[in-house]
Parts: sequence; structure tokens; C-alpha cells
Amino acid sequence: QKEVEQNSGPLSVPEGAIASLNCTYSDRGSQSFFWYRQYSGKSPELIMSIYSNGDKEDGRFTAQLNKASQYVSLLIRDSQPSDSATYLCAVNLGFGNEKLTFGTGTRLTIIP
Amino acid sequence: GAVVSQHPSWVICKSGTSVKIECRSLDFQATTMFWYRQFPKQSLMLMATSNEGSKATYEQGVEKDKFLINHASLTLSTLTVTSAHPEDSSFYICSARALLTSGSTDTQYFGPGTRLTVL
Repeated sequence: QKEVEQNSGPLSVPEGAIASLNCTYSDRGSQSFFWYRQYSGKSPELIMSIYSNGDKEDGRFTAQLNKASQYVSLLIRDSQPSDSATYLCAVNLGFGNEKLTFGTGTRLTIIP
Repeated sequence: GAVVSQHPSWVICKSGTSVKIECRSLDFQATTMFWYRQFPKQSLMLMATSNEGSKATYEQGVEKDKFLINHASLTLSTLTVTSAHPEDSSFYICSARALLTSGSTDTQYFGPGTRLTVL
């Protein structure tokens, strides 16, 4: 079982709709969770971080964390063509553990 | 804030030569930097963790004698690919761990990456 799993996609969403990206992780002790956006040929860019159960909203983005079910999701409201990218879920054990474990990413395409 | 730069952004070299890539945290001090490699259509693969003033910790399967890492200061880490071969052609990305405001957790910020092509 992979440590961090994401549906590779591609996920196609009409412009203006809500895009929903999901991620599951295997280590129940994980403490920190991140969503990065990566455009083709570019490096990852931090979108959201979340550390406690529940929702965290930042503009059009909402991260949701459920530690009991070991999943974290990212919702993108009012999707724009510029949101088309690969979204990487990353998990950190915390407690001084420095490394991030990345999922393979979900490719999102927003259809105008 | 939390800007990380890399230099060069791309490099083409002949097989057998060495290439040095620099990673700098521009507006914060980074006690820890990370080096990743990414092949086309694949996710990031952590190569090593670099701590200022100490030896880097390499991931399993990464040759420490081939990928030399130096973290000489709190704002600079370098990766040297020695005796590069075509199979080393990849996108190399560094990240730096930044401690944000009190009460939050460390976050990794990525540099723009260096695309290495070995002929």
C-alpha cells in the first residue's frame, strides 16, 4: 500500500464548477497535511496546509481533513482554466520529522 | 515571504562532467533544505535532506558520492551531480523548511527547479 494515494486523473471539471480532489494516507500518526499545485514544467507551489480535523478555507480553496478516516481533500470553488494543473497531496509525520511524503498527484483540467 | 531561488534554471552538459546547482532561501533562514528529483509524468522523489553544518541524509538508493550536497549556511545549499550521465537528466527541485509565525508548523517552500540535460 502506498503511503499517500491520490487518483491520478485526469479529472475534468467545467469552468465555474467545484473541483474535488482526494487523498488518503496510511500512517495514522501523520500530523501535517499540504496541498501543492504544480503546473507543467514548474515546481510545486503551496496552496493549503491543514493540521486539525475539519475544514480550512482560503479564498476559493477549502481543505478538509478527517484523521479518523485518514483522508484529506481539496475543494476548488468557481473553477477557472488557470486552475488546470497537477495537485500534489503531501503528508508529514510531524514531531520533528522533517520529510514530506508526496502522492503521485491528480491532474486537473478545467474545461472552459 | 518564504521565497526560494535556484540557479541555474536549466543546464545542458556533456556526459562525464559535473554540474552544481544552488538553492537559496531569500527572505528566511532555513536550517533544513531538501533535494528532490522529478522525472516526466512522475511525482517528486526525495533524494536527500540537508541540514546546515552537518552531513546530508540520503534516501535509500541515492548515491551520496554521485550527488554531493553541501549546506554551508542557513540560506544556501548546493547539489553537485558528479560525472553526470544521460540517465541523470531530470528536473531537480530544492525546498527549504520555514518556520512560520508562532503556533504554526514548519512548511516546505520549493525553488523553481533546475532542468538538467546530459548529452
